Amino acid sequence: KAGVTQTPRYLIKTRGQQVTLSCSPISGHRSVSWYQQTPGQGLQFLFEYFSETQRNKGNFPGRFSGRQFSNSRSEMNVSTLELGDSALYLCASSLSTGSSQETQYFGPGTRLLVL
Amino acid sequence: SQQGEEDPQALSIQEGENATMNCSYKTSINNLQWYRQNSGRGLVHLILIRSNEREKHSGRLRVTLDTSKKSSSLLITASRAADTASYFCATDRGYSGAGSYQLTFGKGTKLSVIP
Repeated sequence: KAGVTQTPRYLIKTRGQQVTLSCSPISGHRSVSWYQQTPGQGLQFLFEYFSETQRNKGNFPGRFSGRQFSNSRSEMNVSTLELGDSALYLCASSLSTGSSQETQYFGPGTRLLVL
Repeated sequence: SQQGEEDPQALSIQEGENATMNCSYKTSINNLQWYRQNSGRGLVHLILIRSNEREKHSGRLRVTLDTSKKSSSLLITASRAADTASYFCATDRGYSGAGSYQLTFGKGTKLSVIP
């Protein structure tokens, strides 16, 4: 099975612009989660989608949003970019069967640089 | 916010030696997992240990969990240069009432294995 894929892998934007990142989960996986990784704050949970619905959201401003499509692919959008949004954005997918043991499989990430 | 802390923040050892990394967390958990990250890339799942387990093995990896101390350790035996990476522990509290699932990560230990 193909792993989680994320596009683009690298992105350079300027302050005030917006950006859309894409994630394709492992085939059959219904849950997609997004995480932001920065040197200062480490790995932080952004949101989780399941069956096109956002089930959970981390402590991020409303400029961060996402969606999931019927094929489980997900996009996240950041509007009005700030310098502090420079980070590695990681997407993870899981089966989400309700099992007490849930492994999330991560993609390679999208590295965003805001100038 | 971070669930816990890894200790040490950085570890440098010779090839063939054992590497031990520790993780502490703050709240009750359902599972604890360890992930590896090579140089700013995606996370690779290593091992999952349930809250009612005390020890688990996978190849050269041994994980222990002490829920009374809210801590875990990851031991890599007979380390290789290819083990050079950052290692993160991640905890979950199971599924929320809304059916959501979320991993909370520590800040990681950067392991360098010198050939």
